[in-house]
Amino acid sequence: SQTIHQWPATLVQPVGSPLSLECTVEGTSNPNLYWYRQAAGRGLQLLFYSVGIGQISSEVPQNLSASRPQDRQFILSSKKLLLSDSGFYLCAWRGDTIPNSPLHFGNGTRLTVT
Amino acid sequence: AQSVTQLDSQVPVFEEAPVELRCNYSSSVSVYLFWYVQYPNQGLQLLLKYLSGSTLVKGINGFEAEFNKSQTSFHLRKPSVHISDTAEYFCAVSDRDTDKLIFGTGTRLQVFP
Repeated sequence: SQTIHQWPATLVQPVGSPLSLECTVEGTSNPNLYWYRQAAGRGLQLLFYSVGIGQISSEVPQNLSASRPQDRQFILSSKKLLLSDSGFYLCAWRGDTIPNSPLHFGNGTRLTVT
Repeated sequence: AQSVTQLDSQVPVFEEAPVELRCNYSSSVSVYLFWYVQYPNQGLQLLLKYLSGSTLVKGINGFEAEFNKSQTSFHLRKPSVHISDTAEYFCAVSDRDTDKLIFGTGTRLQVFP
């Protein structure tokens, strides 16, 4: 069966420090991968998605970047965190390229920038 | 571009009462519609989805939703809620030409004993 792992579960980082959040998927190949951010009262905002290794689409201009070095690995990064980067970050995958297949989410990383 | 509006940020309800969570979408093309549930500090789980066919869709945990094309709505309903239904509920839309799923801002359902 397919599983998705996100780590760490919680993270407290000072302003200006770097960030690396990792997401891996097991039990499937060539998934579509997504990073969402959930901020209080703002729902889920799509940050990045990837349809293959090295292919990243950015949805909003921001202080973050994403990379997909391997088929089932998706990394969210920042060189210098801002206070506004605080939030709940969710990784998700979709098993194929047909839009009607549902997203499967990880358990999220709660990031607090102090 | 698509968008999703969930008008109610919070819905308080007593146990065993019926509930409706509202969702409206805008899109210039045919869409797929989804409802997800999020329990505290967890990811999202799929409740139900509308792809085509019957406009009344049944999902897990006794929830159902009705697709209304003329009103561009996809409201979620349950005839009798339980304490365990307390969670955040998200409506989402995906068009048939892209791989992106756009979410609403969520509705917090609070069930009281």
